[in-house]
Amino acid sequence: AQTVTQSQPEMSVQEAETVTLSCTYDTSESDYYLFWYKQPPSRQMILVIRQEAYKQQNATENRFSVNFQKAAKSFSLKISDSQLGDAAMYFCAYTDYGGATNKLIFGTGTLLAVQP
Amino acid sequence: DSGVTQTPKHLITATGQRVTLRCSPRSGDLSVYWYQQSLDQGLQFLIQYYNGEERAKGNILERFSAQQFPDLHSELNLSSLELGDSALYFCASSVDPTYYEQYFGPGTRLTVT
Repeated sequence: AQTVTQSQPEMSVQEAETVTLSCTYDTSESDYYLFWYKQPPSRQMILVIRQEAYKQQNATENRFSVNFQKAAKSFSLKISDSQLGDAAMYFCAYTDYGGATNKLIFGTGTLLAVQP
Repeated sequence: DSGVTQTPKHLITATGQRVTLRCSPRSGDLSVYWYQQSLDQGLQFLIQYYNGEERAKGNILERFSAQQFPDLHSELNLSSLELGDSALYFCASSVDPTYYEQYFGPGTRLTVT
């Protein structure tokens, strides 16, 4: 069974600095998607960025980028120029590609605090 | 706003009771998912429906059931409620059961007292 592990329960960063959140996963599949979701205090789940496993190029969305290491089964999120609005819980998630279901498997989350 | 609606936003009920959570997917989405977020279990997948049929099942208790109606809205029924069922219940939708992107609703906060 696929699993997702986030080993950092809490992280802190100064405003305007860069922070990296870690995620590892386990799967026997070769094709899959990985995601980072943001959950602010409002509790809404917001998709931050996604990575297709077949793509070697790391995904980037504005200040958010990932470091995808397929062989190491590692998928970290880098937030550059951190802003106060980035403070939230961040979840790493996995789903199979092309399977019967695209249910999401989540990690336990990393609570990010942004210090002014 | 994701386009997915969930009602009610908050629900407080007593142990042993039964409640129904409702979800309306985004216009055009045929697949609906239910997830539970609790302090003990984290965020976990419960069940998925596609065009009215059950597609996949996760860690859903036998006391819980769900269905998707012809108009594609879905209901999650929770019965014989226990304190441990207190959680945030999310509904998400996608175009089809294999499309990677899911759109999450705002959730229903269930408190069992």
